[in-house]
Amino acid sequence: DIQMTQSPSTLSASVGDRVTITCRASQSISSWLAWYQQKPGKAPKLLMYKASSLESGVPSRFSGSGSGTEFTLTISSLQPDDFATFYCQQYHSYSPTFGQGTKVEIK
Amino acid sequence: QLQLQESGPGLVKPSETLSLSCTVSGGSISSSSNYWGWIRQPPGKGLESIGSMYYSGSTYYNPSLKSRVTISVDTSKNQFSLKLSSVTAADTAVYYCARHEGSSGGMVQYWGQGTLVTVSS
Repeated sequence: DIQMTQSPSTLSASVGDRVTITCRASQSISSWLAWYQQKPGKAPKLLMYKASSLESGVPSRFSGSGSGTEFTLTISSLQPDDFATFYCQQYHSYSPTFGQGTKVEIK
Repeated sequence: QLQLQESGPGLVKPSETLSLSCTVSGGSISSSSNYWGWIRQPPGKGLESIGSMYYSGSTYYNPSLKSRVTISVDTSKNQFSLKLSSVTAADTAVYYCARHEGSSGGMVQYWGQGTLVTVSS
């Protein structure tokens, strides 16, 4: 299985901050990477796919980049609604795997 | 708008079989290019894919769970199901049904709301 490693595990930030989360794959996955946001008690919500494509309806302050083994999710100006846990997922192989998650907390 | 809804017991005894169903509405389970799967999340932990199935029968199972998992699709009811045998406390989790786009490992655009299954005597 392809292992996905996110960093940091927890991030403390303030409203208006620029926030970057990193996801690394154990082998090349081209651009087959998705990002999800999950709030407590809710199912994950798709934010980005194919590493840098914004899902319909997702605010443009979210952006994604990377290819191969290293990827980033950036929130350009953190909003109160953005405090949540974020997961990356590779879909290069038939066996989907997720990162362990990054919790974005209020500083 | 496609919607997925899990159903099944919220409490299962150790060594028994966990059985869940997912009803799909707003679209056909026989639609091309999509796999129908199950993802779980133990309390306070991350996401783990259990497996998925194409409506015509092709399946993928997580190797760590393969010996205990069966996923099936009922196109007449627009439903798919999960059976996980010989459960232990480690199988306690929120179970999500999901539609994988394009392949068994595809990204998930549509999720069920999730159902908590507790394994306890």
